[in-house]
Amino acid sequence: GAGVSQTPSNKVTEKGKYVELRCDPISGHTALYWYRQSLGQGPEFLIYFQGTGAADDSGLPNDRFFAVRPEGSVSTLKIQRTERGDSAVYLCASSPTGVPSYEQYFGPGTRLTVT
Amino acid sequence: AQSVTQLGSHVSVSEGALVLLRCNYSSSVPPYLFWYVQYPNQGLQLLLKYTSAATLVKGINGFEAEFKKSETSFHLTKPSAHMSDAAEYFCAVSDRGGATNKLIFGTGTLLAVQP
Repeated sequence: GAGVSQTPSNKVTEKGKYVELRCDPISGHTALYWYRQSLGQGPEFLIYFQGTGAADDSGLPNDRFFAVRPEGSVSTLKIQRTERGDSAVYLCASSPTGVPSYEQYFGPGTRLTVT
Repeated sequence: AQSVTQLGSHVSVSEGALVLLRCNYSSSVPPYLFWYVQYPNQGLQLLLKYTSAATLVKGINGFEAEFKKSETSFHLTKPSAHMSDAAEYFCAVSDRGGATNKLIFGTGTLLAVQP
């Protein structure tokens, strides 16, 4: 079956611009996570959705970052006034439930470069 | 709060040699532990997970890991390395003490396999 997909795969933008990154989770998965992976680092948690609601957004670095999941499936991560420090690979993962022992299935990521 | 430490950012082994990738964790509650592998330009793939059943966990591609509570370790091993094992490996702990089940990752170990 189809895995987690993310679009675009690469995004280059200028400092100060607005970007949207999209995640299509595995069908039926209620839990959705966003992570950010900087060069040479492990993924760092950004936000977690259970259904349509953001159950935990404690990892969002500041108020320039926002994410939505209006219908409980596709999610969009939005970054305003991008900065060069936002350059990273943004990973999305989904899971059948929010139960911690369940595997999270990761997408291939969106590589964001802010020039 | 949970955390993960991976000793050795780069490990090089010869084809056919033992693979040992180290992971130590810190957790205030019984942990769920995971090993993920990341091939170039691909998403993270689960190798194996420990969810408080058997302490020796077998995963895909011949990998296994042993949970040792006394040592707070969850090292990943494979008896005989293949060229196809060259990738980056991440150890992660599930944040069961918080409101979500986000994964907390180590900084990763890049495995090189020499012919």
